[in-house]
Amino acid sequence: GAVVSQHPSWVICKSGTSVKIECRSLDFQATTMFWYRQFPKQSLMLMATSNEGSKATYEQGVEKDKFLINHASLTLSTLTVTSAHPEDSSFYICSAPKTLGTTEAFFGQGTRLTVV
Amino acid sequence: GNSVTQMEGPVTLSEEAFLTINCTYTATGYPSLFWYVQYPGEGLQLLLKATKADDKGSNKGFEATYRKETTSFHLEKGSVQVSDSAVYFCALSGSGGSYIPTFGRGTSLIVHP
Repeated sequence: GAVVSQHPSWVICKSGTSVKIECRSLDFQATTMFWYRQFPKQSLMLMATSNEGSKATYEQGVEKDKFLINHASLTLSTLTVTSAHPEDSSFYICSAPKTLGTTEAFFGQGTRLTVV
Repeated sequence: GNSVTQMEGPVTLSEEAFLTINCTYTATGYPSLFWYVQYPGEGLQLLLKATKADDKGSNKGFEATYRKETTSFHLEKGSVQVSDSAVYFCALSGSGGSYIPTFGRGTSLIVHP
């Protein structure tokens, strides 16, 4: 079946540096991808919707300049956490709809970001 | 707006016990309903789904029935195993023209041998 691959699975970085997380659809084209953030023992919080060839749509309260999203091709979306701080430490998950306009989504494995 | 409410966890059971995780939702129209499972340190995997009222989704011994009259989609399994220990998320999508999933807060299940 269709697979969404997320990389890296975990990363540790120093405060003030930037970290890029990649999300790839392996055997299907994803014109739309979703980026979520998950705090410990909590649900997934939608951060933004990534659209191939156009700007991402950010949810209210999410800083666009801090969480840069680029959807450069039909199989790749990236989330860059810029000038990371310890409070950005979290589990980030991407997902893509099975096909455009359907309700089922495939999820990446998630990325554990720790900022020290 | 849309919302999904799940019972709080953790749910702690002995192996072979019966499992119920309650889920209710609020949405306009006729959304699709899902249960996702998240194992430690991993992303989410689709466990089962139902797309219309009275549909029953099932997979790996888990079942859930789409009850529109009670706006519920409770997850059940007759005999849990240690390997079922994970966090379970109830979700909906396809309400009001939006295909972005709305998730419940998740329920942690711990199964002891």
